[in-house]
Amino acid sequence: DAGITQSPRYKITETGRQVTLMCHQTWSHSYMFWYRQDLGHGLRLIYYSAAADITDKGEVPDGYVVSRSKTENFPLTLESATRSQTSVYFCASSSPPRGDTEAFFGQGTRLTVV
Amino acid sequence: GENVEQHPSTLSVQEGDSAVIKCTYSDSASNYFPWYKQELGKGPQLIIDIRSNVGEKKDQRIAVTLNKTAKHFSLHITETQPEDSAVYFCAARYSNYQLIWGAGTKLIIKP
Repeated sequence: DAGITQSPRYKITETGRQVTLMCHQTWSHSYMFWYRQDLGHGLRLIYYSAAADITDKGEVPDGYVVSRSKTENFPLTLESATRSQTSVYFCASSSPPRGDTEAFFGQGTRLTVV
Repeated sequence: GENVEQHPSTLSVQEGDSAVIKCTYSDSASNYFPWYKQELGKGPQLIIDIRSNVGEKKDQRIAVTLNKTAKHFSLHITETQPEDSAVYFCAARYSNYQLIWGAGTKLIIKP
């Protein structure tokens, strides 16, 4: 099916472990985003990418790493997971490369760090 | 820094009545204001948006109004239905790509 998919949907990991959340989109959208969603905070931008091999920090980038070697994939890595990174993570994509176009979101990954 | 405040955090209305959710933004340069609906277990989905050169926009039962002077924008849902129950988010663009999001409003439609 075309669209934007995230995996896994649920993940439990231990403090200090590295974990990677995957995001794949089939539209060839140039822009991709990673958000975290916490109660009372809405969505906060972690990282975004304007195109393959171009990434930049968002509002809350500390503790996260991203890469974008291919247009369709935008993985998010927590290098050493902490309890404060327990959250629901959403990947999104949009095109053309402007802010005022609809962003399409994945289903989310619920990450619990114990 | 840039901020978007959204009220109320929870809104309960009788089916068939109207619902209004309000947002205030801080950056006067913001010029794009989308509204997203998020159903349980799903990602947010765009329902309506407005640009700063427009004061009001309607799409069937949904409307958004913008007051640039006051830096307010609001979502209006008329003739509410059970399927309108969800969490609604407002956002404001403050750069070419970044949106600042409100904290969300949980809308409950009572039968």
